[in-house]
Amino acid sequence: GAVVSQHPSWVICKSGTSVKIECRSLDFQATTMFWYRQFPKQSLMLMATSNEGSKATYEQGVEKDKFLINHASLTLSTLTVTSAHPEDSSFYICIPPRRRDNYGYTFGSGTRLTVV
Amino acid sequence: GENVEQHPSTLSVQEGDSAVIKCTYSDSASNYFPWYKQELGKRPQLIIDIRSNVGEKKDQRIAVTLNKTAKHFSLHITETQPEDSAVYFCAASSSGFNDYKLSFGAGTTVTVRA
Repeated sequence: GAVVSQHPSWVICKSGTSVKIECRSLDFQATTMFWYRQFPKQSLMLMATSNEGSKATYEQGVEKDKFLINHASLTLSTLTVTSAHPEDSSFYICIPPRRRDNYGYTFGSGTRLTVV
Repeated sequence: GENVEQHPSTLSVQEGDSAVIKCTYSDSASNYFPWYKQELGKRPQLIIDIRSNVGEKKDQRIAVTLNKTAKHFSLHITETQPEDSAVYFCAASSSGFNDYKLSFGAGTTVTVRA
């Protein structure tokens, strides 16, 4: 089955610094990747969709200059939280779209970001 | 886009009783409905799913029903056990224009009382 590797699994950073989260598809190629954010005691909300070879698509209310998303290759998508603030502390998870012939989704392991 | 509503937000049941969580969706193009269980500090884990061409699916103590006409689906847990305590999310996925995006419900915190 599809395997998605997400790193780091947790990170603590100081306010004002940037953090990069990587999501790699290990045994399949993904032309798109969904990035979700989950605040404590809340649901998973789609932030943006990375697209290989084109710009990412951001959901309404998500700052594209703050959350830089890049789809560098068919196996690597990255999310960079720039100038992080404590309110950016959250659980970030990548999820590749399901394939037409396979209804299941494979989740990345998630990254817990704490900004101090 | 798809809008998934989930109720109740919290559910407390006595061990051995049943738990039911209900969700509605808005996009008639949605054709896949997974349910996830999330324990504290972990990522959501798939527990059961159903496709739009099926009305009901069962896996041991867990079952899901789907009513396409009414656009709602439900999770049923029978003979609940303390280890069923967790947050449960329903989700819907469309094969249409939005490229299989997965939309989640708000979640239900289930507490099983021993």
